[in-house]
Amino acid sequence: GENVEQHPSTLSVQEGDSAVIKCTYSDSASNYFPWYKQELGKGPQLIIDIRSNVGEKKDQRIAVTLNKTAKHFSLHITETQPEDSAVYFCAAKIPGGSQGNLIFGKGTKLSVKP
Amino acid sequence: SAVISQKPSRDICQRGTSLTIQCQVDSQVTMMFWYRQQPGQSLTLIATANQGSEATYESGFVIDKFPISRPNLTFSTLTVSNMSPEDSSIYLCSVGQATNEKLFFGSGTQLSVL
Repeated sequence: GENVEQHPSTLSVQEGDSAVIKCTYSDSASNYFPWYKQELGKGPQLIIDIRSNVGEKKDQRIAVTLNKTAKHFSLHITETQPEDSAVYFCAAKIPGGSQGNLIFGKGTKLSVKP
Repeated sequence: SAVISQKPSRDICQRGTSLTIQCQVDSQVTMMFWYRQQPGQSLTLIATANQGSEATYESGFVIDKFPISRPNLTFSTLTVSNMSPEDSSIYLCSVGQATNEKLFFGSGTQLSVL
């Protein structure tokens, strides 16, 4: 079955720097890759997603890139702010599965220091 | 996106008892799911809540332990039965529409079993 690996598990950056989180997946047929931000005591919030027919997608300070050949995708956050501090999860959708069949990475705890 | 409300937000329960978690959405949604997030871990799909019929459970989860109801397109419940300390987790309701892949999460129920 699909397996998603996420790195690093923790990431500390200075305010204003960029942060990059990387994920790899095992099933080349996976076709949808969302990213979630989870703040302490809250549920995961969908922040950006990408489908397999697109190589890159941007939304203000956040971007996601997808390399289907290498089976990896990355989240890029530029000009980081303290409010970006949270746990970030990547996920891949199992092809042919229901909408809820997302396989999640283990998460990256991002700390942005003022 | 829809507003998803979960109750209770947290609870502390004695082993052997059961807890029912409610998920209410402010608009009709096609799909509703229940996830578990064990302490410091990633998210795992428990089951798909099907309106008017039995839920579809993922491998490792059974109806006797996690009975689910979904009487309409805006409401679902998950019961954690005969609880043990190993059931201590965050339980998350998630929703989506059949027209796209986006999945949105409620704020979660933090369950501690003593």
